[in-house]
Amino acid sequence: GQQVMQIPQYQHVQEGEDFTTYCNSSTTLSNIQWYKQRPGGHPVFLIQLVKSGEVKKQKRLTFQFGEAKKNSSLHITATQTTDVGTYFCALRAGGFKTIFGAGTRLFVKA
Amino acid sequence: DADVTQTPRNRITKTGKRIMLECSQTKGHDRMYWYRQDPGLGLRLIYYSFDVKDINKGEISDGYSVSRQAQAKFSLSLESAIPNQTALYFCATSGGKGNQPQHFGDGTRLSIL
Repeated sequence: GQQVMQIPQYQHVQEGEDFTTYCNSSTTLSNIQWYKQRPGGHPVFLIQLVKSGEVKKQKRLTFQFGEAKKNSSLHITATQTTDVGTYFCALRAGGFKTIFGAGTRLFVKA
Repeated sequence: DADVTQTPRNRITKTGKRIMLECSQTKGHDRMYWYRQDPGLGLRLIYYSFDVKDINKGEISDGYSVSRQAQAKFSLSLESAIPNQTALYFCATSGGKGNQPQHFGDGTRLSIL
């Protein structure tokens, strides 16, 4: 079945440092979604990428979809304490199911 | 997301008990999902439903059952709870066609002793 690997599992950064999480699939994807879950909260949709090589930005967040549509990354420039939480990638599996990666938990030290 | 409401928010119960978690939504979405979240394992799909007449098993459906009582309501049952079903449970909805974003409820924290 379709598998997704997300790395790293955890990342500790000093406020102001950059952060990147990576998502890798065993198969070619039609699209990929990214979600953020704050501590004690629920996942919230951030963005969806569809096109090969696509790059989208949301303020300090940059999302990329690989040329082969098998991997994606989320990069945060100059992290802030409000960025803490767990970032999940999610991909579409057969039958319109969505499979979530295990997530990368970001800790930001002020 | 207040448009997706889960009840109860927290529940502690004993092994062997039957438990029902409820989810209701006001978003008008046809698709509803139940996920389980365990530390380090992300979100795992238990069941999903694309309309009132459609119910599908997810990755980890054993030990669970669901009922789609109406477009707006999707409940998850544990017929005979066991301790390894202790987890955080999320209901989600999505609309339209294709792979639309999912909207999650606030979750139910379930502890089985």
